[in-house]
Amino acid sequence: DTGVSQNPRHKITKRGQNVTFRCDPISEHNRLYWYRQTLGQGPEFLTYFQNEAQLEKSRLLSDRFSAERPKGSFSTLEIQRTEQGDSAMYLCASSPLEGLGRETQYFGPGTRLLVL
Amino acid sequence: GDSVTQMEGPVTLSEEAFLTINCTYTATGYPSLFWYVQYPGEGLQLLLKATKADDKGSNKGFEATYRKETTSFHLEKGSVQVSDSAVYFCALSIMEYGNKLVFGAGTILRVKS
Repeated sequence: DTGVSQNPRHKITKRGQNVTFRCDPISEHNRLYWYRQTLGQGPEFLTYFQNEAQLEKSRLLSDRFSAERPKGSFSTLEIQRTEQGDSAMYLCASSPLEGLGRETQYFGPGTRLLVL
Repeated sequence: GDSVTQMEGPVTLSEEAFLTINCTYTATGYPSLFWYVQYPGEGLQLLLKATKADDKGSNKGFEATYRKETTSFHLEKGSVQVSDSAVYFCALSIMEYGNKLVFGAGTILRVKS
């Protein structure tokens, strides 16, 4: 078990460009979560999947943001027409659906986005 | 809505000092409570958790007790080390709401030798 991985680890882009991040959860974890963390703040929930179904999206997730988990394994988070306010650390976490420890989420290292 | 409030930092201590980081919460359901730690340049790691009232979570010398009557989950350690310097986040989740985590703003801990 290699833990949750995220790619890329860092991304610098110009305002108006589109970016896509990838998250690979712990294998066999049914739930996958995305969070955003800005400097000096705690992570804020964006969205989560149970298998391939996206079950909830935060009001923080504007129409420019879209997330997918097409086969219930890895997930992608795309931001279209990036704005400087999108600069943040994007965190992915996964958890099992059932059993002991189902309330515990395991985090990846994050993707740090800087929009110039 | 659900929220977590934790003491502001930074907290600066000398090695071997006693640590307390206060955390209180507001929840619409019955939450599980967590402390996560973020070391410099690293991702979030689960430090400890408690899933029901009066449970005590413990790990690496840290402990916290789920106090439903005071809606608190204060983090304590009897003797901190320089290697404990990090940002500590208190968080809650509610199973009926998809277990999404609600975090506090984080508390920076600096331990001096």
